[in-house]
Amino acid sequence: KQEVTQIPAALSVPEGENLVLNCSFTDSAIYNLQWFRQDPGKGLTSLLLIQSSQREQTSGRLNASLDKSSGRSTLYIAASQPGDSATYLCAVTSIRKTSYDKVIFGPGTSLSVIP
Amino acid sequence: GAVVSQHPSWVICKSGTSVKIECRSLDFQATTMFWYRQFPKQSLMLMATSNEGSKATYEQGVEKDKFLINHASLTLSTLTVTSAHPEDSSFYICSASVWGGNSPLHFGNGTRLTVT
Repeated sequence: KQEVTQIPAALSVPEGENLVLNCSFTDSAIYNLQWFRQDPGKGLTSLLLIQSSQREQTSGRLNASLDKSSGRSTLYIAASQPGDSATYLCAVTSIRKTSYDKVIFGPGTSLSVIP
Repeated sequence: GAVVSQHPSWVICKSGTSVKIECRSLDFQATTMFWYRQFPKQSLMLMATSNEGSKATYEQGVEKDKFLINHASLTLSTLTVTSAHPEDSSFYICSASVWGGNSPLHFGNGTRLTVT
């Protein structure tokens, strides 16, 4: 059974700092891993998608890496801004042989960037 | 970019009534749609997966007769909460993908359901 964890659960940093969010998963049989951002009471915004054959993806100040063999992904945010404050969720799409593909979410990391 | 529209964004209903939530893919055809439930300050819990034209696959512990899912077309899936009770109050979010598998997920903005 695929399980996804995220560390830390919450993080508070001063504006301008670089930071790393961690995601771990137990089953390496995945199609992809996706990082999302969720603002309070809102839906999810996709940030980065890494296919299982890829090692990293970059978008602006965000860089996500994937080490499928060790079941880990990191999301690196450079030069953090107060607008980055949100909950960050990672999700893996697991390969299921007998049913439809299943997307499992981690519990999220709540980020607060202090001006 | 791909847009998923979810309606309504919030709903208040009385205990015992049924509520229907719609999830539409506006500019792409979604062969696979997912319904999630999210409790306050918790992550998303997958409720069910549906492919267009077939029955939904429910996750363990999710009552099929309680949460009716219909994926009647490539652009519309509905979740009906039947005989709602206060414990059904939650944030429901749908997502859609073109192929499943390697396709990225696109999410609606969610529906806040409050059952009084």
